[in-house]
Amino acid sequence: DAMVIQNPRYQVTQFGKPVTLSCSQTLNHNVMYWYQQKSSQAPKLLFHYYDKDFNNEADTPDNFQSRRPNTSFCFLDIRSPGLGDTAMYLCATSPRVGGNTEAFFGQGTRLTVV
Amino acid sequence: LAKTTQPISMDSYEGQEVNITCSHNNIATNDYITWYQQFPSQGPRFIIQGYKTKVTNEVASLFIPADRKSSTLSLPRVSLSDTAVYYCLVWTGGFKTIFGAGTRLFVKA
Repeated sequence: DAMVIQNPRYQVTQFGKPVTLSCSQTLNHNVMYWYQQKSSQAPKLLFHYYDKDFNNEADTPDNFQSRRPNTSFCFLDIRSPGLGDTAMYLCATSPRVGGNTEAFFGQGTRLTVV
Repeated sequence: LAKTTQPISMDSYEGQEVNITCSHNNIATNDYITWYQQFPSQGPRFIIQGYKTKVTNEVASLFIPADRKSSTLSLPRVSLSDTAVYYCLVWTGGFKTIFGAGTRLFVKA
């Protein structure tokens, strides 16, 4: 039944060692998002795709990159993780542009940088 | 993007009705109001969405006054399992889902 699937659920990586988080969807939605959520904070939008068009938030560090090879999959690459990148990373999708839509979230990947 | 303001936290008891009000003074004509629920270590989950007046589904009701500068999420007869963070969002017909600070609801036995 899972519609937005994130792998892995938990990831530990070393300081400075590149890491990739993955997200897949079975909903065939056009829009995919990546959020970062630190402890006791609200999710913070990093970037989103509308189809293949990539849109980066102005304050997203260059250290964070994303790839969307097809409709179903989206990846978050952290090139040189720092201790401050320890967080939950959430992937979400939505079917269309417009205020009268909803976002569907995955369970998240909890990343710990040591 | 309209900014939202919610209470940081609320306490309630099982069986009570809980009303969480969100202020969004700068809401634009095309903005919709959406509420999400998030449990610890899980992704947010859509609860309800509305544009004006009242919307009800199997989980909650959403009340939006005529000026649309605020909205109230109403959870009938809460249980312990409703303990979560509740986020109010407004956004215009674009791509983004931007979260405010959220309200931590604690339901006690």
